[in-house]
Amino acid sequence: AQKVTQAQTEISVVEKEDVTLDCVYETRDTTYYLFWYKQPPSGELVFLIRRNSFDEQNEISGRYSWNFQKSTSSFNFTITASQVVDSAVYFCALSDLGGSQGNLIFGKGTKLSVKP
Amino acid sequence: DTAVSQTPKYLVTQMGNDKSIKCEQNLGHDTMYWYKQDSKKFLKIMFSYNNKELIINETVPNRFSPKSPDKAHLNLHINSLELGDSAVYFCASSLTGTSDEQYFGPGTRLTVT
Repeated sequence: AQKVTQAQTEISVVEKEDVTLDCVYETRDTTYYLFWYKQPPSGELVFLIRRNSFDEQNEISGRYSWNFQKSTSSFNFTITASQVVDSAVYFCALSDLGGSQGNLIFGKGTKLSVKP
Repeated sequence: DTAVSQTPKYLVTQMGNDKSIKCEQNLGHDTMYWYKQDSKKFLKIMFSYNNKELIINETVPNRFSPKSPDKAHLNLHINSLELGDSAVYFCASSLTGTSDEQYFGPGTRLTVT
């Protein structure tokens, strides 16, 4: 069965610290896609990144970076030099063509609080 | 121009009532979805529609029914509302139904009293 685990329920850091949000997934498919979404206090869900299972290259976008490791079924998200505006709930999600039928299976989210 | 919009943003109603939430996307996407986010922030797929055809129907009560008048709209009708239906409902769309990134509307906070 498909499953996404975000073991960190809440993380609190001080501004300018680096922080890594963990995501571990389970799927039987060889083709699947992984996503990260951000939900700030205002409530909307903002798409951050999509990664397919055949591309293990790490990605960097500004202060954000993602580390995809198939060997450990992990897709971790790092924020470098965190800022107060990074405070949000972050969701990792999985989509495959098997059990999830293309739909997003979300983890329970990690609430990040960045204090000034 | 808002990509995915929902109305209303807030909906307060009494048990037993029937209500609808509207969703529109102007992205030209083929697939639209409804998700429910509970009080613990857990997000779960309810329905998805591809070109006006229901392609996934999760095990939600049949009091919930999606209706799509055209490719750009997917409305959610809820009959006989119950206290447990209180949640935030998100509409989303994607280019195709096959694992593309989904873009979400702002959400509708439903409170059943």
